[in-house]
Amino acid sequence: DSGVTQTPKHLITATGQRVTLRCSPRSGDLSVYWYQQSLDQGLQFLIQYYNGEERAKGNILERFSAQQFPDLHSELNLSSLELGDSALYFCASSPAPGVQPQHFGDGTRLSIL
Amino acid sequence: DQQVKQNSPSLSVQEGRISILNCDYTNSMFDYFLWYKKYPAEGPTFLISISSIKDKNEDGRFTVFLNKSAKHLSLHIVPSQPGDSAVYFCAASLSGAGSYQLTFGKGTKLSVIP
Repeated sequence: DSGVTQTPKHLITATGQRVTLRCSPRSGDLSVYWYQQSLDQGLQFLIQYYNGEERAKGNILERFSAQQFPDLHSELNLSSLELGDSALYFCASSPAPGVQPQHFGDGTRLSIL
Repeated sequence: DQQVKQNSPSLSVQEGRISILNCDYTNSMFDYFLWYKKYPAEGPTFLISISSIKDKNEDGRFTVFLNKSAKHLSLHIVPSQPGDSAVYFCAASLSGAGSYQLTFGKGTKLSVIP
């Protein structure tokens, strides 16, 4: 158990819809990272937050957004969903941006029908 | 543009033998490297890491070697056990970017045969 909690584990929805994925970091970790893993691909970095503020962006689509709340949990919002958005979405956390390793949750599997 | 490459999608090894998983990278600015292990339906679990100022790091049965001139790292597992069967991801970090995001390879599926 990494201590990083992601909900829900599975999401099935239709094209054009909007979903919210939730992540609670390990106790004491201030930095949260979101990654996307599409079929047979490595994990792709989407976005990072540190203590409530956006720290870095990767190849995140404009239809996607995220935030980190005062209690440090984070949400990833995906809108106008397309078939190609079907993937595993992982959240990771670390005490601070410069501290490795990042510890990962078990992911949310998003299926777009 | 894949900056971290794991060219072997799969590897089969007999129990008790050595498993060697390879990883190549193209960005010479990467300065920290990690290996993660992933079981089905679980998230990646940190295994071992190495800083670019070192060429070897050991933790029990796991050793990571870094060859900076060749931009190559490898993970050695000795002896291999059936419980080591999983997908192994190589990841690299670029501290100068300020975000410490990880760049991952596509993974190598290791099967340890009893």
